[in-house]
Amino acid sequence: EDKVVQSPLSLVVHEGDTVTLNCSYEVTNFRSLLWYKQEKKAPTFLFMLTSSGIEKKSGRLSSILDKKELSSILNITATQTGDSAIYLCVGYDKNQFYFGTGTSLTVIP
Amino acid sequence: SAVISQKPSRDICQRGTSLTIQCQVDSQVTMMFWYRQQPGQSLTLIATANQGSEATYESGFVIDKFPISRPNLTFSTLTVSNMSPEDSSIYLCSVGSPSIGELFFGEGSRLTVL
Repeated sequence: EDKVVQSPLSLVVHEGDTVTLNCSYEVTNFRSLLWYKQEKKAPTFLFMLTSSGIEKKSGRLSSILDKKELSSILNITATQTGDSAIYLCVGYDKNQFYFGTGTSLTVIP
Repeated sequence: SAVISQKPSRDICQRGTSLTIQCQVDSQVTMMFWYRQQPGQSLTLIATANQGSEATYESGFVIDKFPISRPNLTFSTLTVSNMSPEDSSIYLCSVGSPSIGELFFGEGSRLTVL
């Protein structure tokens, strides 16, 4: 059964800390891995990763895919309270999107 | 990217009633999905809305409870029927781009059943 697992489930850090969120996937006909940030209702797109070892970066956020290890990490440096959200990892196999459990991040001032 | 309008944004409903959620996309899309997110949990796929045919439901979801319509490539509705408090969730419409694997979401509908 195809699935995506994220860890940790929740995380509490102080402003300025650096965090690493983990995602592992078992998707048979894997095509890509996506990261989303969900603050209120609708998830907003962060990254799509298709190639192993190539880091994608947007401001303080970065992500990389390891196809050998079937995993991905999302890094957030110098965290701010506005980074508090649920971060979702999604695996895609051309037909279906598989959602991870999400990591709930809380950044304390 | 696709712009998705979903309504209602939120609603409070009485037990036993039904509510229809609408999803309008600004372009023709092939893949359209309906997700549910119960409090404190991740997204769960309810069904894939197929244009011109019945929706494809995931395990645990049935057409009688969650009838879906998709009359064309830009519009779909999800009805939550005979609601109970356990149906209180966020319902999300999303569209996918199969060629590039991106997934876009509507604003979500927060449903509370009393």
